[in-house]
Amino acid sequence: GENVEQHPSTLSVQEGDSAVIKCTYSDSASNYFPWYKQELGKRPQLIIDIRSNVGEKKDQRIAVTLNKTAKHFSLHITETQPEDSAVYFCAASPGWAAGNKLTFGGGTRVLVKP
Amino acid sequence: NAGVTQTPKFQVLKTGQSMTLQCAQDMNHNSMYWYRQDPGMGLRLIYYSASEGTTDKGEVPNGYNVSRLNKREFSLRLESAAPSQTSVYFCASSAGPENEKLFFGSGTQLSVL
Repeated sequence: GENVEQHPSTLSVQEGDSAVIKCTYSDSASNYFPWYKQELGKRPQLIIDIRSNVGEKKDQRIAVTLNKTAKHFSLHITETQPEDSAVYFCAASPGWAAGNKLTFGGGTRVLVKP
Repeated sequence: NAGVTQTPKFQVLKTGQSMTLQCAQDMNHNSMYWYRQDPGMGLRLIYYSASEGTTDKGEVPNGYNVSRLNKREFSLRLESAAPSQTSVYFCASSAGPENEKLFFGSGTQLSVL
């Protein structure tokens, strides 16, 4: 089955700096790569996703890049703010035809220091 | 529109007891999922139901059973709880091929003593 590894496990940045989280996946059949944010005590929520036919996607201060050849994808947060402090999870899926079974990475705890 | 509703929010069981976690969604979604979340291990899929009438095993199905009662409801049953099942359980749903986004419930914190 799919295996998703996520690094780093914790990340501390100064407010205004950038944060980068990296993930690798093992199954070349995976074609959908979402990122979820989970604030303390809350449910995970989708913040951005990318499909295998796209190399990069941006949404305001967040962006995701995908390298299918190397089987890795990354989340970039620019101009970090205290409200970006949370745990971020990457995930990979073989797509709807295979049941949309997401395999999650272990998570990155991001702390933005004011 | 409540989204995904899970009950109970908290539960303490003794080893060997059984219980059922309930989940319902009001978004007319086709697929529903049960995940468990343990520290440092992300979210791991227990079972999922791609559509009404079907269920399949995920990564960690041992010790669990599920029922897709109708399109709205998907329950998770622990027949004989073990301390290793102490975790936070999340139910989720997604619409279909046109939108794979997962909508999560608020979670159930389960402790097995």
